[in-house]
Amino acid sequence: DVKVTQSSRYLVKRTGEKVFLECVQDMDHENMFWYRQDPGLGLRLIYFSYDVKMKEKGDIPEGYSVSREKKERFSLILESASTNQTSMYLCASRPGTGGLAQYFGPGTRLLVL
Amino acid sequence: GEDVEQSLFLSVREGDSSVINCTYTDSSSTYLYWYKQEPGAGLQLLTYIFSNMDMKQDQRLTVLLNKKDKHLSLRIADTQTGDSAIYFCAETANSGNTPLVFGKGTRLSVIA
Repeated sequence: DVKVTQSSRYLVKRTGEKVFLECVQDMDHENMFWYRQDPGLGLRLIYFSYDVKMKEKGDIPEGYSVSREKKERFSLILESASTNQTSMYLCASRPGTGGLAQYFGPGTRLLVL
Repeated sequence: GEDVEQSLFLSVREGDSSVINCTYTDSSSTYLYWYKQEPGAGLQLLTYIFSNMDMKQDQRLTVLLNKKDKHLSLRIADTQTGDSAIYFCAETANSGNTPLVFGKGTRLSVIA
């Protein structure tokens, strides 16, 4: 079974704090993704990575950065958290071979006060 | 760019069939997926279909694909209260390094 884990289920941070969201997958997948999910807006892709040290911007990268130093780990960084970054954050991974599904972690619900 | 559209809400009575519909614009879509998201959880892959198929059945789930109309549907037979969730349609062309394109999700409410 594919397992994607996220470091926290719930996080509360203050405006201006630096926030790290960690994601780990155990299936040796090449591709990893970060989404945020907001009511009525569906899933929006923030960043993805198709290899170690590689990253690509998604649809809404502003205010976020990412790090992929090891194949199994993909980190999302909020350099200076703002209230409009309060959201559910979902990590996913996918094999590099074409057409196979993405597998999601359980999500991190972040509240920025 | 590619787009995937779904209606936002569906309400059905327990024991009835549910049909969730999805349309997509990418004519090169090769794989199409249905995911389920229960409250407070991540997305769980339910099933997927290749574009050279027009139907796939898995227990209570039936997926129908009309490639000409770019229309995908998910039928849940004998809908139960445990089926209440958000259902996402997604698609991709045959490329391993590109993200799936997701619809906004259909919230299914099952009334006992």
